[in-house]
Amino acid sequence: KNQVEQSPQSLIILEGKNCTLQCNYTVSPFSNLRWYKQDTGRGPVSLTIMTFSENTKSNGRYTATLDADTKQSSLHITASQLSDSASYICVVSSLNTGNQFYFGTGTSLTVIP
Amino acid sequence: GAVVSQHPSWVICKSGTSVKIECRSLDFQATTMFWYRQFPKQSLMLMATSNEGSKATYEQGVEKDKFLINHASLTLSTLTVTSAHPEDSSFYICSARGGRGEGYTFGSGTRLTVV
Repeated sequence: KNQVEQSPQSLIILEGKNCTLQCNYTVSPFSNLRWYKQDTGRGPVSLTIMTFSENTKSNGRYTATLDADTKQSSLHITASQLSDSASYICVVSSLNTGNQFYFGTGTSLTVIP
Repeated sequence: GAVVSQHPSWVICKSGTSVKIECRSLDFQATTMFWYRQFPKQSLMLMATSNEGSKATYEQGVEKDKFLINHASLTLSTLTVTSAHPEDSSFYICSARGGRGEGYTFGSGTRLTVV
């Protein structure tokens, strides 16, 4: 069964600290993996997208890694800011059935001063 | 980059009335558009997928007669919630996919409250 699991479910960190969010998936055949940031009451905004051959991609203070062998991805946030408080969603696309994609349940991050 | 505009951002309506939500791709042609529903603190749930000029494909458990989807052009899809009830209150989000690798871009969402 194609699934995407994220951990932790929620996380609270101090401003300025780093954190890492995890995404494990069983989607096959794999097409790509995306990380999105969703602020409360807003639509998700793309942070990174990685294909099978990419194992790391950065977008400012966000760095995503992908291990296609173990089917794991992580999103590392450096020097967190209060504005990083949001839900982070991992989405994995499958090559099957017209590029169907699967959503993780998200990690709720709260950055406190 | 690819931009998707969703309107309105919030709407309050009375039970029994219908509400239309628009999703527009502003700078690319969206061959496929997706409609999601999201309850508080939960992930997005795909409701339906629509390809331009074709009937929408609804996910299991989603009433197609209640949630009418129209994708008449490559830049516009609409979701109409018919005969709305309070349990339809939710956050509705669209996303669009272009044919040239624009990827999946989400709209900003619509908060629907049915009173």
